[in-house]
Amino acid sequence: SQTIHQWPATLVQPVGSPLSLECTVEGTSNPNLYWYRQAAGRGLQLLFYSVGIGQISSEVPQNLSASRPQDRQFILSSKKLLLSDSGFYLCAWSGSRLALISYEQYFGPGTRLTVT
Amino acid sequence: QKEVEQNSGPLSVPEGAIASLNCTYSDRGSQSFFWYRQYSGKSPELIMFIYSNGDKEDGRFTAQLNKASQYVSLLIRDSQPSDSATYLCAAPNTGFQKLVFGTGTRLLVSP
Repeated sequence: SQTIHQWPATLVQPVGSPLSLECTVEGTSNPNLYWYRQAAGRGLQLLFYSVGIGQISSEVPQNLSASRPQDRQFILSSKKLLLSDSGFYLCAWSGSRLALISYEQYFGPGTRLTVT
Repeated sequence: QKEVEQNSGPLSVPEGAIASLNCTYSDRGSQSFFWYRQYSGKSPELIMFIYSNGDKEDGRFTAQLNKASQYVSLLIRDSQPSDSATYLCAAPNTGFQKLVFGTGTRLLVSP
C-alpha cells in the first residue's frame, strides 16, 4: 500500500529564516505530487505541483520554491520566511498521469509552520 | 476557471439525523468528484468519489451526482458526533493534473 510522509510535524521559525519541508511517498512510482497551504480557518491553496522529476509548476507567486530531486521526494523551500507564510502545509500525491480515470489525491499528515 | 462552491456552514444536525452536504460546480465537462473529510488540525482524508450520475453508497455515506443541475452532494445517515468535521468537495481541472477544492462545509453533530 501507498504511504506518504511529511516532516517535521511542527515548526516554529523566526521571520527571515530559511525553510525546508520534505515529503516522501512510498509504494508507488511516477506519482503526481502537490504542495498545499492552509491558513487557519481557510481553504486549501495549491502552491506547487509536479508531474515528474525536475518538473515543477507554480500556482501562485510567493517567496516559496519547490523541488523534486527524486521520483518520490518533494521539497518545499524558502530563503527568507515572512509572517504570512504561517500555516498548515500539506503534501499530496495522486496516481501516475497514465491513470486515465482516478485522479483522487491522498494527503500526508502535514507540517504546521508558525513564523514568529 | 473551474469553480467548486460550498456553503461554509456550520451545518448543525442532531445525532442520528441525516446530514446533507452540497457542492455546486461551474464546469459542465466535469466527470468526477471527490469528497474529503478534514478533522480540526488534521489533513484531509478521501471518503468518497463519484463518476456517474446518480447515487453511490458506502456504509453510512451516499454521494449523489446530478450533472444536469451541476451539483454533487454527500449524505451522512445516522450522523454521529465523530462525523463533526469539515467536508471538502473537489473536482479535477480540465487537464486532470490538479483538483479544484471547495472551501469546505463545517458539520457539527450534537449528542
